[in-house]
Amino acid sequence: AQSVSQHNHHVILSEAASLELGCNYSYGGTVNLFWYVQYPGQHLQLLLKYFSGDPLVKGIKGFEAEFIKSKFSFNLRKPSVQWSDTAEYFCAVRRNNQGGKLIFGQGTELSVKP
Amino acid sequence: DTAVSQTPKYLVTQMGNDKSIKCEQNLGHDTMYWYKQDSKKFLKIMFSYNNKELIINETVPNRFSPKSPDKAHLNLHINSLELGDSAVYFCASSDGTSGRALSDEQFFGPGTRLTVL
Repeated sequence: AQSVSQHNHHVILSEAASLELGCNYSYGGTVNLFWYVQYPGQHLQLLLKYFSGDPLVKGIKGFEAEFIKSKFSFNLRKPSVQWSDTAEYFCAVRRNNQGGKLIFGQGTELSVKP
Repeated sequence: DTAVSQTPKYLVTQMGNDKSIKCEQNLGHDTMYWYKQDSKKFLKIMFSYNNKELIINETVPNRFSPKSPDKAHLNLHINSLELGDSAVYFCASSDGTSGRALSDEQFFGPGTRLTVL
């Protein structure tokens, strides 16, 4: 089935460690890619997005993601995490002519130890 | 000056009741959405409206009926609530029309946590 997959369910890191969260999708054609973050008890906030152009996109709070078309991947990275990055991270895909709906991965819970 | 607002934030009710959740956006967007986040935090689209017209209905039970009185509002009415309806419901909005403007992003509301007892 076509889907969005996030490889890690729960990631635990110490502060200053580097982060990489995997995201793969299985849709062909034109897609837009997003990473959203959900801090505990809060709503989803957009971290970054890819529509076209440079496959390395930079977002807020020092996050970046790389779109690798041949691998259908859009992994999220941060060189040095902070305790305040503790949250749930969602990868999402939007396909052309699908009414704008976002198809989400199952989420990755990131816990950063101080 | 919240961009996307939802009321109520929390809703606790008995099985079989009928309840509504309201959503309003002040961003001037054309398209609004309802997503359901289950207990495992999985997010799934339920409905989408563009300029008061239903454009997405993702095999949601008929007990769920969205209503859009104008393009700034998208309310969700749920009849005969069941235990499985317990979830967090997120409203979102975006500019663009039916996904043709692919450069738009979705802005999410704070969510409504529905608990059915």
